[in-house]
Amino acid sequence: DTEVTQTPKHLVMGMTNKKSLKCEQHMGHRAMYWYKQKAKKPPELMFVYSYEKLSINESVPSRFSPECPNSSLLNLHLHALQPEDSALYLCASSQYLGTSGLTDTQYFGPGTRLTVL
Amino acid sequence: SQQGEEDPQALSIQEGENATMNCSYKTSINNLQWYRQNSGRGLVHLILIRSNEREKHSGRLRVTLDTSKKSSSLLITASRAADTASYFCASTGKETSGSRLTFGEGTQLTVNP
Repeated sequence: DTEVTQTPKHLVMGMTNKKSLKCEQHMGHRAMYWYKQKAKKPPELMFVYSYEKLSINESVPSRFSPECPNSSLLNLHLHALQPEDSALYLCASSQYLGTSGLTDTQYFGPGTRLTVL
Repeated sequence: SQQGEEDPQALSIQEGENATMNCSYKTSINNLQWYRQNSGRGLVHLILIRSNEREKHSGRLRVTLDTSKKSSSLLITASRAADTASYFCASTGKETSGSRLTFGEGTQLTVNP
């Protein structure tokens, strides 16, 4: 099973709402990632978790709050978002966080299309 | 910040033709990967080539890597309408964490039936 699942597929929220995006993988991967992708642009890394600990935060605004409750789950909590935060949010996982400069293949979920009104 | 560049930005070909996409990067890399993305969907990993490799094949895909020119190319042979998608290269720099992929800007490939 090489599947990463994400829910919901689509989300529309107001600027005062609180919502969460969920990501799940059952491949035994120990590294999980959140990316943001705007239309016709490449994905931009937001957060990286390794062994359930936050390893990288790419200076993401605090209105985005990641959480890794266990090795299979990754959440992204959203609060007080802005319209410019509307984008496709992608979750990915890899076997481990690259060591010795070697990157493992990242497996991506289908994404959550977020619209902030 | 994105350091990869891809060309062309868009490519339109007829079914059965070959499609070539190029990717350039700026810093020394450990490896380079190619991903495909269908419209509005997640990325699918296609192939990984390490910095000490020059060419790699996978089915109808052929990837080359020229570290002296800091460039890579992806060739799709005998294209099909189902190959229509965006293609991204993603590199891992020697100076950065192995987890950080630097994506190119992508090539939008359209294969006309």
